[in-house]
Amino acid sequence: EAGVAQSPRYKIIEKRQSVAFWCNPISGHATLYWYQQILGQGPKLLIQFQNNGVVDDSQLPKDRFSAERLKGVDSTLKIQPAKLEDSAVYLCASSLDRGSHEQYFGPGTRLTVT
Amino acid sequence: AQSVAQPEDQVNVAEGNPLTVKCTYSVSGNPYLFWYVQYPNRGLQFLLKYITGDNLVKGSYGFEAEFNKSQTSFHLKKPSALVSDSALYFCAVRDNAAGNKLTFGGGTRVLVKP
Repeated sequence: EAGVAQSPRYKIIEKRQSVAFWCNPISGHATLYWYQQILGQGPKLLIQFQNNGVVDDSQLPKDRFSAERLKGVDSTLKIQPAKLEDSAVYLCASSLDRGSHEQYFGPGTRLTVT
Repeated sequence: AQSVAQPEDQVNVAEGNPLTVKCTYSVSGNPYLFWYVQYPNRGLQFLLKYITGDNLVKGSYGFEAEFNKSQTSFHLKKPSALVSDSALYFCAVRDNAAGNKLTFGGGTRVLVKP
């Protein structure tokens, strides 16, 4: 079974630029999550999708971050404009459904904002 | 609100010795508890979970964890550590009342020396 795929693996941008990350969850997984992991901290949930609908985006900085999962499969996370404090690893995870206990994580995208 | 604390930033242990990584939690309802491991430049990998039942749960790679409700703890253990166990370990809690949202601790780096 293929795992969660993410791209790019690394990205370096200057502040005020925009960036987008892509995630392809495990086939058949209805629930998709985006986490932000700042160096030295645990992952923090940014947004959770159930199919193509948003379940929880309470910790998403909506003035600069946006995410979509239009067809209920792949998802993109965008930052516009980026700030220095956005430097982090962005992890995508998926689970079979909202009630599933296990989330499967992708390798992450390491973002550096200079 | 749910929270997780991992009081040790780093744990050093000699190969072959027992390994313990501490975790305490706070949740309003019944906790679902998880341990994940993160190797360099890789996503989080699921190790084990406590949902209900036996307080001692066994997981991948010889790890186990003991749920202690009175102490609100879920410490990760391995009887005999390997050098390959050196990684970053995260404890996480899920409150059923908060959907499938996982709250992670800050992580504990484990260094196993030969």
